[in-house]
Amino acid sequence: NAGVTQTPKFQVLKTGQSMTLQCAQDMNHEYMSWYRQDPGMGLRLIHYSVGAGITDQGEVPNGYNVSRSTTEDFPLRLLSAAPSQTSVYFCASSRPSGMAFFGQGTRLTVV
Amino acid sequence: GQQLNQSPQSMFIQEGEDVSMNCTSSSIFNTWLWYKQDPGEGPVLLIALYKAGELTSNGRLTAQFGITRKDSFLNISASIPSDVGIYFCAGQGVVRDDKIIFGKGTRLHILP
Repeated sequence: NAGVTQTPKFQVLKTGQSMTLQCAQDMNHEYMSWYRQDPGMGLRLIHYSVGAGITDQGEVPNGYNVSRSTTEDFPLRLLSAAPSQTSVYFCASSRPSGMAFFGQGTRLTVV
Repeated sequence: GQQLNQSPQSMFIQEGEDVSMNCTSSSIFNTWLWYKQDPGEGPVLLIALYKAGELTSNGRLTAQFGITRKDSFLNISASIPSDVGIYFCAGQGVVRDDKIIFGKGTRLHILP
């Protein structure tokens, strides 16, 4: 049972480049979320989804897009990468009860 | 928006000591969660709390859902070296389909 799988694990981008962080879960969870983790800032919610076709913004959504076409997948798109988006990104999935399970993270550096 | 205030930010303790950390909010939550993050890994769920006043244990860990629904605490008894890491509280609000938000974490260090 893979749980939550994030790819890639590491990525270096140049300013202005775009890319998509992939997230897939095999637990048939309705809820999926993206967080970024920066030193001293904890985990900040970027976007979340309560089901296929439904997404909503979190605390820090600017510069990121998401879509949820299937229950299993929740990709995060950076449209034009900026150095301020250097961070560790975590995808999580959960049932409505709130017990979220996290992927291993994607470490992104924007130069 | 909703915010969680987690304290302390960091702790330095001796092996064998007990640890206590807490989380408070100005908003009411329906669910309180406690996670641990090891270096280079994603957070892992330790304890989930769903009812005001609920006290739940997981081995040496004990967590409580505050009676006001605005706070929660986590205790670790008889700490061991593998307890080192960052502990996060998280809460899910009362609105249907509400998001889960996290505190900034408590970094636990164990002195040799």
